[in-house]
Amino acid sequence: GDSVTQMEGPVTLSEEAFLTINCTYTATGYPSLFWYVQYPGEGLQLLLKATKADDKGSNKGFEATYRKETTSFHLEKGSVQVSDSAVYFCALNMEYGNKLVFGAGTILRVKS
Amino acid sequence: NAGVTQTPKFQVLKTGQSMTLQCAQDMNHEYMSWYRQDPGMGLRLIHYSVGAGITDQGEVPNGYNVSRSTTEDFPLRLLSAAPSQTSVYFCASSFSALGSYEQYFGPGTRLTVT
Repeated sequence: GDSVTQMEGPVTLSEEAFLTINCTYTATGYPSLFWYVQYPGEGLQLLLKATKADDKGSNKGFEATYRKETTSFHLEKGSVQVSDSAVYFCALNMEYGNKLVFGAGTILRVKS
Repeated sequence: NAGVTQTPKFQVLKTGQSMTLQCAQDMNHEYMSWYRQDPGMGLRLIHYSVGAGITDQGEVPNGYNVSRSTTEDFPLRLLSAAPSQTSVYFCASSFSALGSYEQYFGPGTRLTVT
């Protein structure tokens, strides 16, 4: 079945460091790919998405590019802030239904 | 516009008790779903609905029932709670079941079964 694998955390960075969170997927068709963020005590919010190969999603300084050849959707940010501390989830859904398949989540901690 | 609301925020049940987790959305979304979040496992789909009167099972439906009598509400029922159902439950909604519309999540219900 469809699945998402993302790097284990927690990831601990100093403020202004470069962030990469790896995400790879397995799917039988052509999924759309998402990054969701969960701040402490809250529900999930969509951070960015890409719906076809080579699309780049971006929001709030975060970016991810849909790489079909490597089945990846790595999340990057050039300079993290303390306020970026959260849990980040990579997810996919297939074009025939809006049912999200999530990775396990990666905890990010940013220290000042 | 409240978005997706869930009640209660916290709940403790004894094994065998029943309860209903409430979910409501005011965005006139067709599609609603329930997920559970467990450490190291991300979120897993329990049940979903593509419109009023239509529901279907997700990845982990056992022990849970749902119904969708109105567009706005999508309650999740635990008929006989078990410790394995200790989790954080999230309700989500989106404009349509078809395609890649953004799903909007509620704040969650933290359930402990003793």
